[in-house]
Amino acid sequence: DAGVIQSPRHEVTEMGQEVTLRCKPISGHDYLFWYRQTMMRGLELLIYFNNNVPIDDSGMPEDRFSAKMPNASFSTLKIQPSEPRDSAVYFCASRMGRNQETQYFGPGTRLLVL
Amino acid sequence: QKEVEQNSGPLSVPEGAIASLNCTYSDRGSQSFFWYRQYSGKSPELIMSIYSNGDKEDGRFTAQLNKASQYVSLLIRDSQPSDSATYLCAGGGATNKLIFGTGTLLAVQP
Repeated sequence: DAGVIQSPRHEVTEMGQEVTLRCKPISGHDYLFWYRQTMMRGLELLIYFNNNVPIDDSGMPEDRFSAKMPNASFSTLKIQPSEPRDSAVYFCASRMGRNQETQYFGPGTRLLVL
Repeated sequence: QKEVEQNSGPLSVPEGAIASLNCTYSDRGSQSFFWYRQYSGKSPELIMSIYSNGDKEDGRFTAQLNKASQYVSLLIRDSQPSDSATYLCAGGGATNKLIFGTGTLLAVQP
């Protein structure tokens, strides 16, 4: 299995631009998580989906952030408009069932907003 | 605010020594605990999980859980330079979410 796939791996953009991050979970996994990692705040959960349905988006920092999962094999995290404080590494993770032990992380997208 | 607290380090130990990493949590509803290892520039990878009070051993790694004290630890025996990484402690409960600490940087000196 290829594992969780994220694209792009690196993104540099200017303040005010729209940024779209993409994730393909492991086939058969029914939970998908979006995390943000910074030095100051560590690894924070932004939103998670179960069977393509958003379950908890309480970690989404502002209305500038939105996430979708149109099908079981694809999810996007969009930031519009982007700001320098959004610079971070964004991880997608997927999991099969309720067993939290089976959570696998993708390689991450390193975002820099200038 | 449900939190998981870790000392950011760096924790420096000589090669072959025991490295002891500690974590406390505030949510008494947390039922499961995990240690992830994260190399610089890489994603977190699960190395240990623990669900019951006491010790759980896996090779050179031992996880310890004390729910009364809300304390989790990870011991790494015979530390190797390849163990140098950031170790993230995470707690999980009935909400399906993992709450992560900010991580402890471990440096094993050859």
